[in-house]
Amino acid sequence: RKEVEQDPGPFNVPEGATVAFNCTYSNSASQSFFWYRQDCRKEPKLLMSVYSSGNEDGRFTAQLNRASQYISLLIRDSKLSDSATYLCVAISSNTGKLIFGQGTTLQVKP
Amino acid sequence: NAGVTQTPKFRILKIGQSMTLQCAQDMNHNYMYWYRQDPGMGLKLIYYSVGAGITDKGEVPNGYNVSRSTTEDFPLRLELAAPSQTSVYFCATGGQSSYEQYFGPGTRLTVT
Repeated sequence: RKEVEQDPGPFNVPEGATVAFNCTYSNSASQSFFWYRQDCRKEPKLLMSVYSSGNEDGRFTAQLNRASQYISLLIRDSKLSDSATYLCVAISSNTGKLIFGQGTTLQVKP
Repeated sequence: NAGVTQTPKFRILKIGQSMTLQCAQDMNHNYMYWYRQDPGMGLKLIYYSVGAGITDKGEVPNGYNVSRSTTEDFPLRLELAAPSQTSVYFCATGGQSSYEQYFGPGTRLTVT
């Protein structure tokens, strides 16, 4: 089983829609989580950290459910510019290194 | 500041050839990383370094070597290229107190 798993999608949504992605992690000892965004043929960039209490940054909300071992990312009022691949990332409790999920692709249509 | 730079952007190698992927950063970070990303897959850590003169293996180090003689540079060496090394290679850097990593633009390598 992969340490971090995501539904690869693609998720095709109209502009203005609300869309949510989930990510599951297998190691219950993992402590820190992040969402990175990767545009087509570009490098990943940090979108937001995920805190236990949940956190919001504009139209983006990240939440962590430790009991069920999943992380979510909610995007409200989707924009065309939100089209990208969203990578779920966990800090490995064994190595302290970042473990990346395979990514979820979002396509926002006009 | 350029951040993290990588050269070349693209390269086609024949099986058995060797090459060095260059990575340089001007962010004065101690931590540097090499990842590979296969189509539709997440990034896998090849090697990393916590400072000049110190390197360590990541998840998929076989077929690669690294060196870290300065804080700024972290080259990745492929000695005997194989088709399985066809991938996009990303270099990244990070500060000691933060898990945020800053990535270079990547090198697209094809081995035929």
